[in-house]
Amino acid sequence: GAGVSQTPSNKVTEKGKYVELRCDPISGHTALYWYRQSLGQGPEFLIYFQGTGAADDSGLPNDRFFAVRPEGSVSTLKIQRTERGDSAVYLCASSSPGENYGYTFGSGTRLTVV
Amino acid sequence: KQEVTQIPAALSVPEGENLVLNCSFTDSAIYNLQWFRQDPGKGLTSLLLIQSSQREQTSGRLNASLDKSSGRSTLYIAASQPGDSATYLCAVSDNSGYALNFGKGTSLLVTP
Repeated sequence: GAGVSQTPSNKVTEKGKYVELRCDPISGHTALYWYRQSLGQGPEFLIYFQGTGAADDSGLPNDRFFAVRPEGSVSTLKIQRTERGDSAVYLCASSSPGENYGYTFGSGTRLTVV
Repeated sequence: KQEVTQIPAALSVPEGENLVLNCSFTDSAIYNLQWFRQDPGKGLTSLLLIQSSQREQTSGRLNASLDKSSGRSTLYIAASQPGDSATYLCAVSDNSGYALNFGKGTSLLVTP
């Protein structure tokens, strides 16, 4: 596609529920990243995929967070037993080595846990 | 751990002024540095990317410089316009080239 697409744009869920956030990267971009941005802060790194595998998941805050990219394109970020502290904007980005790893970000999913 | 600081946190200028946004980072072993723009409720738009071997990049009215040894970058905006109002974020990647460390941003308001 022309850009990085994230769905849904907004998600409100109750504490304790499970949510999935989807990212569709730019076609041909092998690298995909998830970041989380809290109000008034810069984005914080969560996880990086190169192809289908998670090359670095050191930014995931705990084992309630998990992400997959089974076919090396679309990725899903999964959050179990959501907590109010998980409320944030979740941003996805993709990049290509041929572009010197310049990032293209999606518009994000605003997650609100009530 | 890489720490990225942006000064000032907020800036308000009248239209037409030239302005400078500052970014500093603690670890000079970086792969590249990027400046992004973020509009309220939106994602990030990449403005300029500077490789670690480069000193500056220019795009239109924007010029970004990089002094890796001193851990500093500046974003210069010439002849500011109200449409430039947004939050500007600086981010550096380490030598692996992927994960970005972001500053908290500078919120810019350009008044007509």
